[in-house]
Amino acid sequence: QVTLRESGPALVKPTQTLTLTCTFSGFSLSTSGMCVSWIRQPPGKALEWLARIDWDDDKKYSTSLKTRLTISKDTSKNQVVLRMTNMDPVDTATYYCARTHYGSGKKNRRLNWFDPWGQGTLVTVSS
Amino acid sequence: SYVVTQTPSVSVAPGQTARLSCGGINIESKSVHWYQQKPGQAPVVVVYDDSDRPSGIPERFSGSNSGNTATLTISRVEAGDEADYYCQVWDPIEYNVFGTGTKVTVV
Repeated sequence: QVTLRESGPALVKPTQTLTLTCTFSGFSLSTSGMCVSWIRQPPGKALEWLARIDWDDDKKYSTSLKTRLTISKDTSKNQVVLRMTNMDPVDTATYYCARTHYGSGKKNRRLNWFDPWGQGTLVTVSS
Repeated sequence: SYVVTQTPSVSVAPGQTARLSCGGINIESKSVHWYQQKPGQAPVVVVYDDSDRPSGIPERFSGSNSGNTATLTISRVEAGDEADYYCQVWDPIEYNVFGTGTKVTVV
C-alpha cells in the first residue's frame, strides 16, 4: 500500500522560507520510473502543480514559481523536501505531495498523473 | 501558457447522468486525467489517460477526449458523487496544468 504524508510548519511569516517534508512508504524513489510531485491549493481555489522529482534526480518546476522553489530527495529516508523562499500571504494554501505516474500513454502521448495523494498540510503565511 | 477551462458548476438529480467538460486548444493531443475532491479531503484520481479507471473506481465514471474538449461522464449519479472535479494535462512548457474545477451538486 502506497501512502504519503506531508509535514512542516502551519504558520510562516512573510519573507521567510518554507520547508515541507513528504514522507512516503510503499515504493522507493530509487526505483526506475518513480516520481513525487508537490501540488498546492489556496483556500477555495483550484489546484496548482509546483514541482516534481524523479528517481534519477531529474527535477521539474512550475514556470511561474521556479525561482523560489527547490525540490530534493533523501532516498534512504523515503522523503522528498520542498523549499519555497520569500513566502507571501498569497502562498497560504494546503500543500500536497503525490506519487507521480510518468511515461507514455495512448497514442504515445506524455502521461503525468498523480496517485495517491497525501492528506495535505495547511500553511498560513501571516505576520 | 496552456489554459484548461471547466464549467464552474453542474447540478444533477440522483440517478441521472452528469457530463463535465474540460476545454483546451487541441486537448485531444494531450492525455487528460480527472480528480474528485470532496470537502476537506485530498483529491483522488477517477480517470487517467482520457478513459482509464484506477482499481476501485466505479464503472459509472468514464472519460473521453476529442477535439478541444475532454469529458468526464458520471452515470447513475449518487449523493456521494457530490464533489469538486478537476481535469489535468501535461504540457511540454508548463509541465502540469490543472483545470479551474467543476463543483458537482446532487439535487
